[in-house]
Amino acid sequence: NAGVMQNPRHLVRRRGQEARLRCSPMKGHSHVYWYRQLPEEGLKFMVYLQKENIIDESGMPKERFSAEFPKEGPSILRIQQVVRGDSAAYFCASSPGYNEQFFGPGTRLTVL
Amino acid sequence: RKEVEQDPGPFNVPEGATVAFNCTYSNSASQSFFWYRQDCRKEPKLLMSVYSSGNEDGRFTAQLNRASQYISLLIRDSKLSDSATYLCVVLFYNQGGKLIFGQGTELSVKP
Repeated sequence: NAGVMQNPRHLVRRRGQEARLRCSPMKGHSHVYWYRQLPEEGLKFMVYLQKENIIDESGMPKERFSAEFPKEGPSILRIQQVVRGDSAAYFCASSPGYNEQFFGPGTRLTVL
Repeated sequence: RKEVEQDPGPFNVPEGATVAFNCTYSNSASQSFFWYRQDCRKEPKLLMSVYSSGNEDGRFTAQLNRASQYISLLIRDSKLSDSATYLCVVLFYNQGGKLIFGQGTELSVKP
């Protein structure tokens, strides 16, 4: 059973470009969570999704950030018009329900 | 006040030492508790869940005191491979199941 998969592992963007981060949950897991870890800081919750539904997006910045988890395919975290402050590690986690969450290897976004 | 607070680090201990980490949480509605470890800012890996009765997994013992809103992790006979950042994590069911992380406590085990 493959673990949580994320790609790309590293992403470099220039200011103003778009970043798309993908996450495939573990087989059998229908809950997907995105977390962000800024340099020298702890992990912070961003958004919680189930198939085709955003359940909780209270941790998402109001502008430029969006997330989806379509019926088919991976969950996508999209950041439009990136700024230097978006540089961080973005981790996806999945869970079969309201219990332990298992994390993917993360995408390290660098904004030049 | 932060929702989850941990001991400030770093902890520098010799091999074989016993080390304890403490954590407090502010929301009494919290439902589940975990310790994760993070190596070199890679992905967090689940170390163990924490139950009210206390639980043990080899050299690791976790305790939960709901009345005091306090969680602990004890590591006995430290190994070099235990060097990592230990994250106290709380799950809030009434907030959709998201995890709230403490800042983490860095442990460095020296030979």
